[in-house]
Amino acid sequence: EPEVTQTPSHQVTQMGQEVILRCVPISNHLYFYWYRQILGQKVEFLVSFYNNEISEKSEIFDDQFSVERPDGSNFTLKIRSTKLEDSAMYFCASSTDLYYEQYFGPGTRLTVT
Amino acid sequence: AQSVTQLGSHVSVSEGALVLLRCNYSSSVPPYLFWYVQYPNQGLQLLLKYTSAATLVKGINGFEAEFKKSETSFHLTKPSAHMSDAAEYFCAVSVTSGTYKYIFGTGTRLKVLA
Repeated sequence: EPEVTQTPSHQVTQMGQEVILRCVPISNHLYFYWYRQILGQKVEFLVSFYNNEISEKSEIFDDQFSVERPDGSNFTLKIRSTKLEDSAMYFCASSTDLYYEQYFGPGTRLTVT
Repeated sequence: AQSVTQLGSHVSVSEGALVLLRCNYSSSVPPYLFWYVQYPNQGLQLLLKYTSAATLVKGINGFEAEFKKSETSFHLTKPSAHMSDAAEYFCAVSVTSGTYKYIFGTGTRLKVLA
């Protein structure tokens, strides 16, 4: 069964460093999403992406964040200058269409020290 | 604005007992509702979804949920718990505000006792 994959599974970085989280959505999906979950808190929406542009972003998704689909398979989330409060589990998701269910990857645990 | 409340961050049941995980939602428009399960070190797996068809929705692994508009609830049930059901369960409501983002509850960790 097709699945969303994410790499790395765990990333440790120092405050102020740039990180790139990678996702490979399911191949025929057109809509892509990033969510994050700070330890002990809710899963929160960050951004959605369709047709090579951001469709919607939350107030969490400030200028430090960016997303890109650099080729036909990868979908990346970049954090330019990490802060301690960026430590969280980051989930990528994809869907075939706007009103279809989203399929989630296993997540990347980001630890900022 | 849409929101989701899951009562009970931790629920323990005996093996073979009824599982009941509670989810209440708030939505200004007819919602789509979902239950996801997360096993340790794995992603979020869809258990079932409500998309305005039948109010009783059956999902995988013997789980089902009933949409009750009058109670704004979408509780998840399973008649007989199995050890393999131990996991974290998330309720989510969709928000169709240009795109189709999910609003998640805080999750309920289910423990199954032998």
